[in-house]
Amino acid sequence: DAGVTQSPTHLIKTRGQQVTLRCSPKSGHDTVSWYQQALGQGPQFIFQYYEEEERQRGNFPDRFSGHQFPNYSSELNVNALLLGDSALYLCASISGQLNSGNTIYFGEGSWLTVV
Amino acid sequence: KQEVTQIPAALSVPEGENLVLNCSFTDSAIYNLQWFRQDPGKGLTSLLLIQSSQREQTSGRLNASLDKSSGRSTLYIAASQPGDSATYLCAADNYGQNFVFGPGTRLSVLP
Repeated sequence: DAGVTQSPTHLIKTRGQQVTLRCSPKSGHDTVSWYQQALGQGPQFIFQYYEEEERQRGNFPDRFSGHQFPNYSSELNVNALLLGDSALYLCASISGQLNSGNTIYFGEGSWLTVV
Repeated sequence: KQEVTQIPAALSVPEGENLVLNCSFTDSAIYNLQWFRQDPGKGLTSLLLIQSSQREQTSGRLNASLDKSSGRSTLYIAASQPGDSATYLCAADNYGQNFVFGPGTRLSVLP
C-alpha cells in the first residue's frame, strides 16, 4: 500500500514565479492537509481539504491556494513567490478528521527553493 | 491558540543511554498528541499517537506519556542506538482540526 506521495521532490523557482505541488493521499484517506516547514523549524499548517472544499486554513496569505480532486488527490499553488517561501512543503492525509483518533500520515515533501 | 514547545532543542548521548524528550502545549483541550521522527531532508514518520483519554502509549523501545492537566508530554527512548539519530517532533491538535508542531529536538546518538 503506497503511502502519501508528493511531486516534485525538489524544484527551484525565481522570485515572482508561480509553483504547483502535487499530493496523492494514502489509500482510503479522504482528507488532505498541507504544511510548510522552514529550515530548522516545525511544520506550520497551511490548509486542509475535504470533499473538494477548503475546510480550514492557517495563517497564510491568499498567494497560497489549493485544490482537491474527486479522487482525493490535491494540489498546492503558490503565486508571486518570495524568497521566504523557500521551504519543505509537506502533504498529510487522514481518514476523517484529526479528532477521530486515526493516525495522520505525511509524505516525503517537496523542497522548494526560491532564488 | 495552541502553542507547542520542546526541550531540549538538541541532545547528544552515547549509545545505550535512556533518554527523555519533553513537549509542552498551552491548550489542554486536545484530542490527540502525536510524536513524529524526521530524518534530515525527509518527511515525518509517526511514532506514537496518544488520544486524550489515554495516559501513555508504547512501541518497542519508545514510550510516550501525556498529562493534559499540566500540558506536558514526554517521549522516553530506552537503550538508544545510533539509528535513533533524528529530529523528534511533537504535535498537539488545535481543537481537533489540525496539528500545531513544536520546533523539534535534534537527537544524536554516538556509537
